[in-house]
Amino acid sequence: SQTIHQWPATLVQPVGSPLSLECTVEGTSNPNLYWYRQAAGRGLQLLFYSVGIGQISSEVPQNLSASRPQDRQFILSSKKLLLSDSGFYLCAWSSMDPQPQHFGDGTRLSIL
Amino acid sequence: AQKVTQAQTEISVVEKEDVTLDCVYETRDTTYYLFWYKQPPSGELVFLIRRNSFDEQNEISGRYSWNFQKSTSSFNFTITASQVVDSAVYFCALSEAEGGTSYGKLTFGQGTILTVHP
Repeated sequence: SQTIHQWPATLVQPVGSPLSLECTVEGTSNPNLYWYRQAAGRGLQLLFYSVGIGQISSEVPQNLSASRPQDRQFILSSKKLLLSDSGFYLCAWSSMDPQPQHFGDGTRLSIL
Repeated sequence: AQKVTQAQTEISVVEKEDVTLDCVYETRDTTYYLFWYKQPPSGELVFLIRRNSFDEQNEISGRYSWNFQKSTSSFNFTITASQVVDSAVYFCALSEAEGGTSYGKLTFGQGTILTVHP
């Protein structure tokens, strides 16, 4: 069966520090991968999605970037975190459009 | 542009009551998919159901049922005989599929916080 792993579960970072969140999927190949952010416990906003290795599409301009170095690995990064980057970050995968997306457990990011 | 509206911000019920969560969507596409997800306090999103725009049959799964009304662009979710474990945030979401270019991107509503009291 397919599983998705996301880490770390929680992260506290100072303003201006870099960020790297990792997400991996097991049990499937060539998944669509997604990064979402949920601010203040409500409403999910799609940040990035990827349909293949090295293929990244950004949905909103922001301080973050994403990369997909391997088929089942999706990384969310920032060179310098802002206070507004705080939130709950969720990674998701789907086998193909329009299959449902399956989500990881999320990372709670707090910026001090 | 597509949009999903969950007008109920918070709902509070007592155990064993029935509760309906409303979802209204907007889309210009004729082919689209609707989803419901549950987010318990632990934070992960749990997939509940997917419905495509050509299938207006209502669906029942245990205590859960979904009513899809294309004429009113609504996809409502009813929990029968609610239980404390149903307490969570529930999200309705929409994915457009016209021309196969949506890549499964989901547009979420703002969510409804459901609290079931014992």
